Amino acid sequence: QVQLVESGGGVVQPGRSLRLSCAASGFTFSSYGMHWVRQAPGKGLEWVAVIWYDGSNKYYADSVKGRFTISRDNSKNTLYLQMNSLRAEDTAVYYCARGKRVFAESNAFDIWGQGTMVTVSS
Amino acid sequence: AIRITQSPSSLSASTGDRVTITCRASQGISSYLAWYQQKPGKAPKLLIYAASTLQSGVPSRFSGSGSGTDFTLTISCLQSEDFATYYCQQYYSYPSTFGQGTKLEIK
Repeated sequence: QVQLVESGGGVVQPGRSLRLSCAASGFTFSSYGMHWVRQAPGKGLEWVAVIWYDGSNKYYADSVKGRFTISRDNSKNTLYLQMNSLRAEDTAVYYCARGKRVFAESNAFDIWGQGTMVTVSS
Repeated sequence: AIRITQSPSSLSASTGDRVTITCRASQGISSYLAWYQQKPGKAPKLLIYAASTLQSGVPSRFSGSGSGTDFTLTISCLQSEDFATYYCQQYYSYPSTFGQGTKLEIK
């Protein structure tokens, strides 16, 4: 079945780095734009980043620009989020999500992973 | 960035009621708006995209309308499983942005 599974979350000190992964299965990963969305404890949803289906274009939220990098390996059906210079305010559940339409630049998100928790604390 | 103002932030209703949630965009976004439902500890679920198109498998008691800057999500005849938090999202331009959420509670 169509599935996204995140991994890589954990507890990290401020200023350190962490890399999240999102393994896709059940669909042609290389045909879809992919996103990261986060949710701080008790708060709403915040879009983080997008990468085009072929990796040719990427956009970021202002809150993470210059610190986070989204990437993908279509041969491994895996999406990544490299998070550097982490701050306490980056503490959140991080979800990966699939853009609904193939090869489209903008999309609603029709498939979501279960999320992975990142806690930034000393 | 386009700001999305969602209201109300919370709403109490009873099973069988009809409820409406609204979202207003700070600039025109055509019909590039989606609605999601989220239950505690779970990932969001896509309900409606393109402002008014029902996602496959979503019950027909959910409906969406609007274009430009003003949008609504209506749930007719609330069921017990509908009590959750709802978010709207614009995907007209990046950064994509979400509304603040509406927590729908049982009266």
